[in-house]
Amino acid sequence: EIVLTQSPATLSLSPGERATLSCRASQSISNYLAWYQQKPGQAPRLLIYDTSNRATGIPARFSGSGSGADFTLTISSLEPEDFAVYYCQQRSSWPITFGGGTKVEIK
Amino acid sequence: EVQLLESGGGLVQPGGSLRLSCAASGFTFTSTVMNWVRQAPGKGLEWVSTISNSDGRTFYADSVKGRFTISSDNSKNTLYLQMSSLRAEDTAVYYCVTRSNWKAFDCWGQGTLVTVSS
Repeated sequence: EIVLTQSPATLSLSPGERATLSCRASQSISNYLAWYQQKPGQAPRLLIYDTSNRATGIPARFSGSGSGADFTLTISSLEPEDFAVYYCQQRSSWPITFGGGTKVEIK
Repeated sequence: EVQLLESGGGLVQPGGSLRLSCAASGFTFTSTVMNWVRQAPGKGLEWVSTISNSDGRTFYADSVKGRFTISSDNSKNTLYLQMSSLRAEDTAVYYCVTRSNWKAFDCWGQGTLVTVSS
């Protein structure tokens, strides 16, 4: 099973700041990584698939990068609605696995 | 517009059974890969099971293999998850999720809560 480790667990930032979230896989997963955003009481929402492709309707301030085993989600300038929990997920091999999440909170 | 409406959650005793349903609309159900993903209270996301509606292939997480069965009724555009031998650790919100072209989980239902407790 591929283990995804997200860091940091919590990121405390102010609106307008840049957020950089990391996801590291226990082995190479090529570019088969996705990112999701989840707000309290809501279902997750797909942000990025296959490392760097924004899903439909996702603002350009969200970007993904990386390859192999190291990946990054960047939010260029945090909006108030971006404070949430973010998960990475791999589809390189079964079972599909998720990272433990990074909470982006208001500083 | 894609809509996924889960139902069937509730309180069940350890060792009991429950069947979840997901009514789908707004897309071609028969050619879509459908999934169940769960989230225990205050915890992260866990993939549970996948079915390819086009060819019937199924996949399961080790934690539910042999206890849960995923199925689809293409005539009703409905996804199911039959859960048996339920344990306390199966307590979670269960989400019905689409996965277009075997890529990411792109559309999520609002979830249904399953609580396993005596």
